[in-house]
Amino acid sequence: GQGVEQPAKLMSVEGTFARVNCTYSTSGFNGLSWYQQREGQAPVFLSYVVLDGLKDSGHFSTFLSRSNGYSYLLLTELQIKDSASYLCAVREAGNMGYKLTFGTGTSLLVDP
Amino acid sequence: NSKVIQTPRYLVKGQGQKAKMRCIPEKGHPVVFWYQQNKNNEFKFLINFQNQEVLQQIDMTEKRFSAECPSNSPCSLEIQSSEAGDSALYLCASSLRDRGGNTEVFFGKGTRLTVV
Repeated sequence: GQGVEQPAKLMSVEGTFARVNCTYSTSGFNGLSWYQQREGQAPVFLSYVVLDGLKDSGHFSTFLSRSNGYSYLLLTELQIKDSASYLCAVREAGNMGYKLTFGTGTSLLVDP
Repeated sequence: NSKVIQTPRYLVKGQGQKAKMRCIPEKGHPVVFWYQQNKNNEFKFLINFQNQEVLQQIDMTEKRFSAECPSNSPCSLEIQSSEAGDSALYLCASSLRDRGGNTEVFFGKGTRLTVV
């Protein structure tokens, strides 16, 4: 069926890295976005990818493989404050504009 | 930083009562989305607008919810008769008109509805 899947939880250590995976199955694929959401706050846009490959944006990098329906968000040089939920959202385009279909988010915990 | 403003931040209603929430999209953004985020972090798309026109909406929205984005007034989402299952965080988002490029979608802080 169609949907966006992410692991529920991920743990890593300060100063290292974390890779948040996302797999999707959808029609009308028009790009994939990553958001960070802290408890009780709005999702904050991090990155948008529509072409295959790795997009390096410094602290956050994103990878996309459209043929495999797969993306990941890579966080490097982790800090404690990177602990948050990371949401993968697939943009589906249709005849009447587009909408975002979200995964349920990956809760990242960065330990000291 | 997002400039999408949602009010109220918190809303408590009894079952069967109307629940209304408002959203001011970022200035110059003609596209507005409403999403429902439940306690399991599941996002459910409800409806989207371009200017005052509804582009897409799900069946639930069509039947129990009413939404509008009048010109020169805040957008609104109203639940006609609240049910316990409507308790959730309601997120409004806005963006520029999609031209196939990197159209960032900005979210407001949401209205947390509790139906008791």
